[in-house]
Amino acid sequence: QSALTQPASVSGSPGQSITISCTGTSSDVGSYNLVSWYQQHPGKAPKLMIYEGSKRPSGVSNRFSGSKSGNTASLTISGLQAEDEADYYCCSYAGSKGVFGGGTKLTVL
Amino acid sequence: EVQLVESGGGLVQPGRSLRLSCAASGFTFDDYAMHWVRQAPGKGLEWVSGISWNSGSIGYADSVKGRFTISRDNAKNSLYLQMNSLRAEDTALYYCAKDLGSSWYAFHAFDIWGQGTMVTVSS
Repeated sequence: QSALTQPASVSGSPGQSITISCTGTSSDVGSYNLVSWYQQHPGKAPKLMIYEGSKRPSGVSNRFSGSKSGNTASLTISGLQAEDEADYYCCSYAGSKGVFGGGTKLTVL
Repeated sequence: EVQLVESGGGLVQPGRSLRLSCAASGFTFDDYAMHWVRQAPGKGLEWVSGISWNSGSIGYADSVKGRFTISRDNAKNSLYLQMNSLRAEDTALYYCAKDLGSSWYAFHAFDIWGQGTMVTVSS
């Protein structure tokens, strides 16, 4: 299956907001409200940040929010902090299988 | 402490087999679906397979279907991945991950991850 499409990189200054897009198709993102987002720091295991498109697990900062429109899901990080610098991946259920995005490297300037 | 510990990785020749294990602790294992996710060196995440709490529903990525088999033993709090006919492109760090729900497709979100076990396929 084809990976979901994410921008390779985004950047922002501390205190700013950024948005990472995740574009799929009507077979995955567009058909199911099962998009999740993960943060991965170098050498570490991924961490769940958003599930079911917009829900935050306990302990995740409310600076992280998720949304979806059509075949595109988005992750917004507000009030950027240095520790937000990491790779971010979206993931969607795609009917009998799962699919990840290619990942986005967030740089905090 | 909630924990997942993978084992069984290593160097294997193309065409051979390997069995990965994941030991779970700190939560009620048989209440949750489980998944395997892999990451090739320097690359992104790839979902490999998922299994529901009672093994009643299983899914595989197209890239491993017919070669890999996921299973679980709830009595032993363990998840497994039998990998046959291994290829160079299967080289990756393999993570075991817990789902938020009992069916692998109900939430399809992974809230607990292990540290991974490395599989290298090379002659």
